[in-house]
Amino acid sequence: ELKVEQNPLFLSMQEGKNYTIYCNYSTTSDRLYWYRQDPGKSLESLFVLLSNGAVKQEGRLMASLDTKARLSTLHITAAVHDLSATYFCAVDGNYGGATNKLIFGTGTLLAVQP
Amino acid sequence: EPEVTQTPSHQVTQMGQEVILRCVPISNHLYFYWYRQILGQKVEFLVSFYNNEISEKSEIFDDQFSVERPDGSNFTLKIRSTKLEDSAMYFCASSELAGSVEQYFGPGTRLTVT
Repeated sequence: ELKVEQNPLFLSMQEGKNYTIYCNYSTTSDRLYWYRQDPGKSLESLFVLLSNGAVKQEGRLMASLDTKARLSTLHITAAVHDLSATYFCAVDGNYGGATNKLIFGTGTLLAVQP
Repeated sequence: EPEVTQTPSHQVTQMGQEVILRCVPISNHLYFYWYRQILGQKVEFLVSFYNNEISEKSEIFDDQFSVERPDGSNFTLKIRSTKLEDSAMYFCASSELAGSVEQYFGPGTRLTVT
């Protein structure tokens, strides 16, 4: 059974600081997703990582994937308050199949303090 | 920009009642999914659907649940006899192609069972 773990579960950081969220998963998959969720809202796609060594950046967020280590990271640079949200990683649990089955991590609640 | 829509946004029902949650996927998409998120927890896969049949379902998706594409646009999730533990946010998602890497999520329906 595919398991996806994130840490930390909760992250309180000051504006302007850098930090990294980690996502580990238990079985082979080359598709790793990062989503953002604001309270009471839906899931906003941030990044889709499709191969070992993939790195994608958007604004203050950068995501990377190491399929050998089964690890993805979401790095936050110079955090601002607007980044406060819950961040989920998800792994395709049906890799190679016709349909996707996203297995989500536990989520990291990020609170950026002024 | 095309988007997945869901109705209602909030549904309150009594235990034992049947509910139908409705989704309109993006029009040229062929693969449809339901996920749920119990308050404060991670997002969980329920079922995937393609070519008018279920492709895969999770352990959560027991006999009380069913899905249907009654016409060319709607995709529904029915819970036959709701239980208190069915209270959650239910997200519909769709994707375009076989093994498509991107799933697009709707805004969700908050189901409250009293």
